[in-house]
Amino acid sequence: EAGVVQSPRYKIIEKKQPVAFWCNPISGHNTLYWYLQNLGQGPELLIRYENEEAVDDSQLPKDRFSAERLKGVDSTLKIQPAELGDSAVYLCASSPGFTGELFFGEGSRLTVL
Amino acid sequence: GQQLNQSPQSMFIQEGEDVSMNCTSSSIFNTWLWYKQDPGEGPVLLIALYKAGELTSNGRLTAQFGITRKDSFLNISASIPSDVGIYFCAGRYGGATNKLIFGTGTLLAVQP
Repeated sequence: EAGVVQSPRYKIIEKKQPVAFWCNPISGHNTLYWYLQNLGQGPELLIRYENEEAVDDSQLPKDRFSAERLKGVDSTLKIQPAELGDSAVYLCASSPGFTGELFFGEGSRLTVL
Repeated sequence: GQQLNQSPQSMFIQEGEDVSMNCTSSSIFNTWLWYKQDPGEGPVLLIALYKAGELTSNGRLTAQFGITRKDSFLNISASIPSDVGIYFCAGRYGGATNKLIFGTGTLLAVQP
């Protein structure tokens, strides 16, 4: 069974440019998460989806971040415009329900210059 | 954002030694989980605990859900070089809150 797939693995952009990350969860997992991981820290939730519905986006900086999960499968996370402080790893995870047992992708490492 | 306190922050040990790390919170959790993250990878679930006082093993790993529901412990016996990585605890609130919070991580280095 394929795991959570994320792309791109690495992205380098200049500040004020837009960037988008894509995630394909494990087949059949209705819950999808986007996490932010800064260097030396644990993952912090940005947004959680149950199917197509964003059930927890309280930590998503909505002035510049947006996310969507069309048809309840793949998801895209966008940042526009990017700032220097957005340099981090963006992790996508999925789970069959919400038990805390998450399956993570390899992450997308963003560097903003 | 909120993160749980893990200790120690890092450990440098010899192969074959036993390892202990813990995680504490000011809040009560319904579930405690332990993940391991290798460099350049996403975290991988090691152990999940669902009941206060529960003790669960996965090979050389043993984890416990604290009686107060505010802490959890992870022990690794007879460490090997592939145990190297960052270990994260995570606590899940139940009920309407229903959030998962990760710890700050414990970096483990094992010298052969």
